[in-house]
Amino acid sequence: DGGITQSPKYLFRKEGQNVTLSCEQNLNHDAMYWYRQDPGQGLRLIYYSQIVNDFQKGDIAEGYSVSREKKESFPLTVTSAQKNPTAFYLCASARTGGALNTEAFFGQGTRLTVV
Amino acid sequence: GQSLEQPSEVTAVEGAIVQINCTYQTSGFYGLSWYQQHDGGAPTFLSYNALDGLEETGRFSSFLSRSDSYGYLLLQELQMKDSASYFCAKGGSNYQLIWGAGTKLIIKP
Repeated sequence: DGGITQSPKYLFRKEGQNVTLSCEQNLNHDAMYWYRQDPGQGLRLIYYSQIVNDFQKGDIAEGYSVSREKKESFPLTVTSAQKNPTAFYLCASARTGGALNTEAFFGQGTRLTVV
Repeated sequence: GQSLEQPSEVTAVEGAIVQINCTYQTSGFYGLSWYQQHDGGAPTFLSYNALDGLEETGRFSSFLSRSDSYGYLLLQELQMKDSASYFCAKGGSNYQLIWGAGTKLIIKP
């Protein structure tokens, strides 16, 4: 079955540590996205990537880093520079090309808690 | 800041009809989509409008008026399982998806 997979579902991190969230898709989508969602809030864009080896900062990129070495994979690293990293992180993918890019498919999310 | 505006909360009765509105800024517009998100879950795609008019998918319909920079999601025959947050999102340039802050739909028996 085609889909997008995030792991782990729950993650606990000590303050000052970096942590990497995994996102893999087998939908053959070119575009991939990372969002952060805080309780009762909407989705805020962290980073997005249109093609392999290319990515752009979103609205809240500070304290985060990404890579796009393969089409299927778009891992997100939450660094110690992120001041308030506790949140729900969502990865999504979409086809590219004009209007087609508005249907996004989401992973089940990773809930990160800093302890 | 947000370039899409939607109400933060809407309350309706089971079996009724509810409309959730969304207005947007027109720069770089490539269509309007709607997503549903239950508490603790991931958003799931509901519908998409690229052109003016009404798109119907079962109990859910979505409407777009590009001249008014406005769209809405219409939910009919409301069921308790429809209690969720609903987001409008527009396709923008550079393959971005730009999201509204979401509307929490509360359904009462």
